[in-house]
Amino acid sequence: NAGVTQTPKFRILKIGQSMTLQCTQDMNHNYMYWYRQDPGMGLKLIYYSVGAGITDKGEVPNGYNVSRSTTEDFPLRLELAAPSQTSVYFCASSYGTPTNTEAFFGQGTRLTVV
Amino acid sequence: DAKTTQPPSMDCAEGRAANLPCNHSTISGNEYVYWYRQIHSQGPQYIIHGLKNNETNEMASLIITEDRKSSTLILPHATLRDTAVYYCIVRSSRGTGGFKTIFGAGTRLFVKA
Repeated sequence: NAGVTQTPKFRILKIGQSMTLQCTQDMNHNYMYWYRQDPGMGLKLIYYSVGAGITDKGEVPNGYNVSRSTTEDFPLRLELAAPSQTSVYFCASSYGTPTNTEAFFGQGTRLTVV
Repeated sequence: DAKTTQPPSMDCAEGRAANLPCNHSTISGNEYVYWYRQIHSQGPQYIIHGLKNNETNEMASLIITEDRKSSTLILPHATLRDTAVYYCIVRSSRGTGGFKTIFGAGTRLFVKA
């Protein structure tokens, strides 16, 4: 009963370093999403994917890249970390059918860039 | 997707009903109202959703006005564990965006003993 799993839970990066935030889901959902949440704010969509091999930008894609080679995995890559990317990152997944559906969220990755 | 307006914070006494309002005056006919909550810094958790009719599940009730321009989430007997940020979201069931939607700042609910 894993749902959406994110790793790592915490990470400290130095400015200019790169890293990949991992996200995997075991619900066979076709849609997956990456959000970031700054302190006291709501969630902002970074990238999303409607299925393997297909990705698209959300509200705040600059400084990030994604890939979707399998249905289960949707990693988020930071190439040149900047202090502005200090945030909590949430991955989510859902069925992308015409009927109303809910999204399931992971527990988040807390990233600090110093 | 339509935007929503929620009060920034609310208090509720433990054991009482918590009524959380949401305005979505620009909602269109094919858009659903969803409610999520976020306890401390955990991932958001789905609560309930609806289109036109009032809905109830084991967690809460959702009351949508007849013109659909506003809704109220009701937690019938609030407990201390219900202290969280509650997000009201409006999203369409059509298109290819899935749950590509907007989370605002939400309402911070404090349940007090």
